[in-house]
Amino acid sequence: NAGVTQTPKFRVLKTGQSMTLLCAQDMNHEYMYWYRQDPGMGLRLIHYSVGEGTTAKGEVPDGYNVSRLKKQNFLLGLESAAPSQTSVYFCASSQSGTSGSYEQYFGPGTRLTVT
Amino acid sequence: GIQVEQSPPDLILQEGANSTLRCNFSDSVNNLQWFHQNPWGQLINLFYIPSGTKQNGRLSATTVATERYSLLYISSSQTTDSGVYFCAVEPYDYKLSFGAGTTVTVRA
Repeated sequence: NAGVTQTPKFRVLKTGQSMTLLCAQDMNHEYMYWYRQDPGMGLRLIHYSVGEGTTAKGEVPDGYNVSRLKKQNFLLGLESAAPSQTSVYFCASSQSGTSGSYEQYFGPGTRLTVT
Repeated sequence: GIQVEQSPPDLILQEGANSTLRCNFSDSVNNLQWFHQNPWGQLINLFYIPSGTKQNGRLSATTVATERYSLLYISSSQTTDSGVYFCAVEPYDYKLSFGAGTTVTVRA
């Protein structure tokens, strides 16, 4: 049981390049989330999904797109990277509230630098 | 949106000391979690505690939901307790809002 995994762990992009971050969970969780963490700050929600095929905007969605084609995977895309997107990205998942705990479990993070 | 305030922002402890971290939030919540972010950046779940009291080894937490605050207690601190402690709350909308964190430094 690996929990929540993220690929890649590190990435350097040039301004204008695109990339996709992959998040996978093996806990059969309904809900998945993407956050970003900037220096000295807490995490801020980018996008989230309450089930396969659904996505919704969080607090800071601009410049990002997401897809949830399979229940276990949640992809975060940057179509045209900007230096302001330099950050550490965390993925998380949680069980449906109707099944009990809402506790979120986090992946190890992806450190992205845009030059 | 919901406001989450953590105090103090920074805490320096001598090894073996006890400490209390506080989290205040501005609205009713369905979920409250405490995390420890270690020096390598990993977020570790400490407690899922929307109400009541829990203990795990030298750490314990209490949430008083009616008064909208939570406390994290660290007893007999060790250098491995260093890092940033985050409180995060979810006000019935499936989304966690994080506080700015308390940076704890434990000196040997």
